[in-house]
Amino acid sequence: KNQVEQSPQSLIILEGKNCTLQCNYTVSPFSNLRWYKQDTGRGPVSLTIMTFSENTKSNGRYTATLDADTKQSSLHITASQLSDSASYICVVRGSTGGGNKLTFGTGTQLKVEL
Amino acid sequence: DTGVSQDPRHKITKRGQNVTFRCDPISEHNRLYWYRQTLGQGPEFLTYFQNEAQLEKSRLLSDRFSAERPKGSFSTLEIQRTEQGDSAMYLCASSLRLPNTGELFFGEGSRLTVL
Repeated sequence: KNQVEQSPQSLIILEGKNCTLQCNYTVSPFSNLRWYKQDTGRGPVSLTIMTFSENTKSNGRYTATLDADTKQSSLHITASQLSDSASYICVVRGSTGGGNKLTFGTGTQLKVEL
Repeated sequence: DTGVSQDPRHKITKRGQNVTFRCDPISEHNRLYWYRQTLGQGPEFLTYFQNEAQLEKSRLLSDRFSAERPKGSFSTLEIQRTEQGDSAMYLCASSLRLPNTGELFFGEGSRLTVL
């Protein structure tokens, strides 16, 4: 069964600090991996999409890494801001499975405090 | 704003009532998805359309749920005889039919509370 596991489940950090969120997946065959940011009560917003051949991708203060061999990804947030407080969801797209090729993780709930 | 829009944003209803949610996707997107999300969980796939054709339905979509996209533009999700377990955020997303990397754009969601 395709699965996406995220850790930690929740995280509290001080403003200005860095943090790294982890995503392990068993989806195979693999097509791409996405990180979404979801503010409370809002819809998810895409941060990055990474394909098999990409190891690192940055979007401002967000840097995602992908190791397709170990089926692991991380999302690194630099110099955190209060507005980074949100749930970060890892989503993996497989190459088979009809239209529903996406497997969602349960998210890491990040809280940035003063 | 030309993003995905959903209506209503919040709906409170009594058990047994019917509710309908509407989703207007990004205009040039031919794929439209419905997801359900409960607190602390990731979105769960319900169904998706390519243009007006409903191509896939999850087993989560019981007989009380029906979705339509009559003209290949907006879509509706109707829940009949609501139950307390239907309380969730219902998310709509749209994308272009691109090989592999068709990015999903989500709406803000419709939060349903069944009393």
